[in-house]
Parts: sequence; C-alpha cells; structure tokens
Amino acid sequence: DTGVSQDPRHKITKRGQNVTFRCDPISEHNRLYWYRQTLGQGPEFLTYFQNEAQLEKSRLLSDRFSAERPKGSFSTLEIQRTEQGDSAMYLCASSLSLESNTGELFFGEGSRLTVL
Amino acid sequence: AQKITQTQPGMFVQEKEAVTLDCTYDTSDQSYGLFWYKQPSSGEMIFLIYQGSYDEQNATEGRYSLNFQKARKSANLVISASQLGDSAMYFCKGGSQGNLIFGKGTKLSVKP
Repeated sequence: DTGVSQDPRHKITKRGQNVTFRCDPISEHNRLYWYRQTLGQGPEFLTYFQNEAQLEKSRLLSDRFSAERPKGSFSTLEIQRTEQGDSAMYLCASSLSLESNTGELFFGEGSRLTVL
Repeated sequence: AQKITQTQPGMFVQEKEAVTLDCTYDTSDQSYGLFWYKQPSSGEMIFLIYQGSYDEQNATEGRYSLNFQKARKSANLVISASQLGDSAMYFCKGGSQGNLIFGKGTKLSVKP
C-alpha cells in the first residue's frame, strides 16, 4: 500500500466551473477526512466519513460543497460554481478507528485548487 | 466547543538545542486526544506524537515529547537536540470523535 493518494494534484479552473477531487485512502482505514488549507494557516476541517457514512460536516462547508464515499473506500469532494475564495489546498486523510489505536491521520499530498 | 491555540507564529532554535512549542486547548469533553504534526515546506503532513486525555504519563517518541498539563489544558511539544531537518510548520490538533481541530501552527526555524 502506497498510502493516501489524491487526484488531481493541481487544478486550475475558471470561476463558476465545477471541480471534483478524488481521494483513495489506505485500504484498511475506515475513516476518511477532508481538510482545506490556505497559505500560512492550519488545515480547516471540512467533513469526515466512517466507512460510507458522512458523520460530520463543518458549518464552513457551503451548499456548493459535497462529499461522498459511496462504498466506504475512495471519496470524492465536489465544488460547484467555484469562487476565487475556494482557492486552497484540499487535503485528504485517513485513519483506523479502533480503541487500541491512537487514530493518527495519514495525509495525502493534497490537491491544489486555483480559481481564476 | 473545541478550540486549539498555538500562540507562537514563529520560533528560532539553535541546532542541537531543545525547543518547546506551545499548545493550549479548550474542550468540554472528558475523553479526547491531542496530536502534533509536522509539515515541511514540501507540504506533506507527518504525524509526530499523540497524548490521550487519560494517559498518566507524558508521551515520548524519540526526540519528541509532549508536556501534558491537564489542569492547565496545555500540550506542549518538546523537541530535543534540534536538527536542521526539524525546520517546518508544526501543528497541534485535538478533540474527540472525528471532529479534530488544528491550531494555526508554529513555524520552527533551526539555525546552524
């Protein structure tokens, strides 16, 4: 297993277009998280899944954002009608949620979005 | 509500010396975890160390240790014998369940 992978690594789009990011977590991990990070800031929590269930969604996430994890494996994050303020690095992370596990997150390399 | 505060935007340390990065947290949960991550300029987030709220001993991982003071709600990261490769952003993260909040980070620069 090569870890968490994200695709695409970079995306440049025009304002108003839709974009979709994909995340493939570490295969045995049951939790999957999406974060957004802008330059000089810490990652902002967006949402997380346990298996296929979306358990929590940040209030920061507007209706233009939607995330899915249909079979409890890979996940997609879609942003509709992109705005310049959506420009950021979108980080995906996965973890194994067990009582005996610290639950540390394993991050992908991120998908950088630039909205022109 | 959960909140993580890192009050040091930037820190300098001389190579081979120890440095402490501050983190305070605010949570009403009884059971929670505190994590530290390193983010080098290349961008990847690397897990360093974890402390559970019920752990009686301070966590240690190699040159990293966590100075956990539950009454003061602080979980400071101590890096001993700093190396040039330690130069990076350091983020404290904490909370319970899945909603784990990151602090704004501290940029550590190690001077030769």
